[in-house]
Amino acid sequence: DVKVTQSSRYLVKRTGEKVFLECVQDMDHENMFWYRQDPGLGLRLIYFSYDVKMKEKGDIPEGYSVSREKKERFSLILESASTNQTSMYLCASSFGTASGNTIYFGEGSWLTVV
Amino acid sequence: QQQVKQSPQSLIVQKGGISIINCAYENTAFDYFPWYQQFPGKGPALLIAIRPDVSEKKEGRFTISFNKSAKQFSLHIMDSQPGDSATYFCAASTGGYNKLIFGAGTRLAVHP
Repeated sequence: DVKVTQSSRYLVKRTGEKVFLECVQDMDHENMFWYRQDPGLGLRLIYFSYDVKMKEKGDIPEGYSVSREKKERFSLILESASTNQTSMYLCASSFGTASGNTIYFGEGSWLTVV
Repeated sequence: QQQVKQSPQSLIVQKGGISIINCAYENTAFDYFPWYQQFPGKGPALLIAIRPDVSEKKEGRFTISFNKSAKQFSLHIMDSQPGDSATYFCAASTGGYNKLIFGAGTRLAVHP
């Protein structure tokens, strides 16, 4: 089974803190994604990476950065957390470049910024 | 700007009934339309998907109906069960590493 693991399930951080969300996948997938899930807004793409050290902005990249130093690991970084970044963050991975390859999600990281 | 519009936001169905969730899109370049199912505390998981060259796809109690001319697609859950209670997301993508654009989600509750 494909496994996408988000190591931190629940975090509470203070405004202005630097926050790291880590994600690891075990299927040798080229592509990895970070989505943010908010009620009434669905899932919105923050960043994605199609190879090691390669990244592209998604629809809502402001306030976030990412790092992919190894193929299996994709980190989301909040440089200076703000209360409007309180949300559920979902990491995902997929194989290849074609439309239609299944995207597999982790179980999510609930972040509260106070 | 929301490229995939999903309705309703929430849905209550009696056990054994039919659940219907609708989505509409604008970008005619979309070529893959999956539905994801998410249980509380879990990440979304692929439920069923369709390409625009077919009008219907059925897997067990789940059916996608696709209307290319209207740019709409819908999920039908036949004989709905309490275990189907979850949030459902429609999505669409067009090439380019399969970046998915998601609808806002529908919270389905199936009452016994």
